[in-house]
Amino acid sequence: DAGITQSPRHKVTETGTPVTLRCHQTENHRYMYWYRQDPGHGLRLIHYSYGVKDTDKGEVSDGYSVSRSKTEDFLLTLESATSSQTSVYFCATAPYLGLAGSHNEQFFGPGTRLTVL
Amino acid sequence: ELKVEQNPLFLSMQEGKNYTIYCNYSTTSDRLYWYRQDPGKSLESLFVLLSNGAVKQEGRLMASLDTKARLSTLHITAAVHDLSATYFCAVDVTSNFGNEKLTFGTGTRLTIIP
Repeated sequence: DAGITQSPRHKVTETGTPVTLRCHQTENHRYMYWYRQDPGHGLRLIHYSYGVKDTDKGEVSDGYSVSRSKTEDFLLTLESATSSQTSVYFCATAPYLGLAGSHNEQFFGPGTRLTVL
Repeated sequence: ELKVEQNPLFLSMQEGKNYTIYCNYSTTSDRLYWYRQDPGKSLESLFVLLSNGAVKQEGRLMASLDTKARLSTLHITAAVHDLSATYFCAVDVTSNFGNEKLTFGTGTRLTIIP
């Protein structure tokens, strides 16, 4: 357990409203990720961060934005929620291990179940 | 585009039996990860495989990696009910720091029947 929390854990919202999910870590990991999990699709990467203020898009980034103003927090925003964004959202983190023996083992938060009506 | 395919997608097996889950991927990589997810829970890291021929074992689970075949296997020995879960493999193809990310398979839902 990498000391990762997500808030809220459950949220129900209406189409067209903005939603922000928060991921907080206490492990000082460099990398942070947002995934969504849907039946039949496994986990799909939405956005990720490789440092404070450094972010990049994943494979399903449309309709989502992110921000990382400090190491501990990574925010995911749905600017105008749609029913297709109903999903379980997972945050993950990974440490920077340097040049030798580097790998990308990720540690996951508990998830946020989002329902958009 | 990297594709990661697992099979089978669903697996029911009796306690005490052996079985193997396969993970194929479409591009060169020597870093592969296995995760476990219990229903309604988060993902837990099981194995990190970092080179061709790597083999890791934990209890009744053993994972291996063949980078030439682009194939990893997760072998279950003498299955017990506690192993019922969904298992994911994930592949890492990044080589530039600042751009580390994984691509996940769709998962194998394993049910152990008494």
